[in-house]
Amino acid sequence: AQTVTQSQPEMSVQEAETVTLSCTYDTSENNYYLFWYKQPPSRQMILVIRQEAYKQQNATENRFSVNFQKAAKSFSLKISDSQLGDTAMYFCAFRISGYALNFGKGTSLLVTP
Amino acid sequence: SQTIHQWPATLVQPVGSPLSLECTVEGTSNPNLYWYRQAAGRGLQLLFYSVGIGQISSEVPQNLSASRPQDRQFILSSKKLLLSDSGFYLCAWSVEGGLFYEQYFGPGTRLTVT
Repeated sequence: AQTVTQSQPEMSVQEAETVTLSCTYDTSENNYYLFWYKQPPSRQMILVIRQEAYKQQNATENRFSVNFQKAAKSFSLKISDSQLGDTAMYFCAFRISGYALNFGKGTSLLVTP
Repeated sequence: SQTIHQWPATLVQPVGSPLSLECTVEGTSNPNLYWYRQAAGRGLQLLFYSVGIGQISSEVPQNLSASRPQDRQFILSSKKLLLSDSGFYLCAWSVEGGLFYEQYFGPGTRLTVT
């Protein structure tokens, strides 16, 4: 079975600081896609960043970057210069063949002034 | 640009009543469509997906069904709701063969079964 584990149910960070959210996954496949989604209080799921497993270079989108360690099956999200608007649930997900996105249970991030 | 709509935004229904949730996508053709359910404090569970009109695949056995009467319309239904059907329902779309296979989500419907 393909599983995704987010070991931090809740995290807090001060505005302008950096925070890292952890994600590990389990799959026997070699090629897959990894994603981080953000779900703010509005509940709309928003794609934050994506990573192809066959690419060694870590993806970056503005203040968001990932640390992808394929051998360790780890895919952490780093948020730099945290902003109040980053307060949300963050979900790690991956997709192999087929159509399903496998989601973790999420990490609730609170950014404080 | 592509947009995805879901309605209603919220719904309160008694046990045993029928259900119909609708999802439509604009700005793309022949999308893959998905229904997810998010229970409180949990991640998303894929319920159904569709790769074309009339083509529905179910991921989990349950009290719900899905239909795709038009290319960009996806409907989630139930003949008789159960208390356990309460949750947040999200519709999503993707373009198969797209570069990253990511899925884009609608605003969701909060369903409370009383």
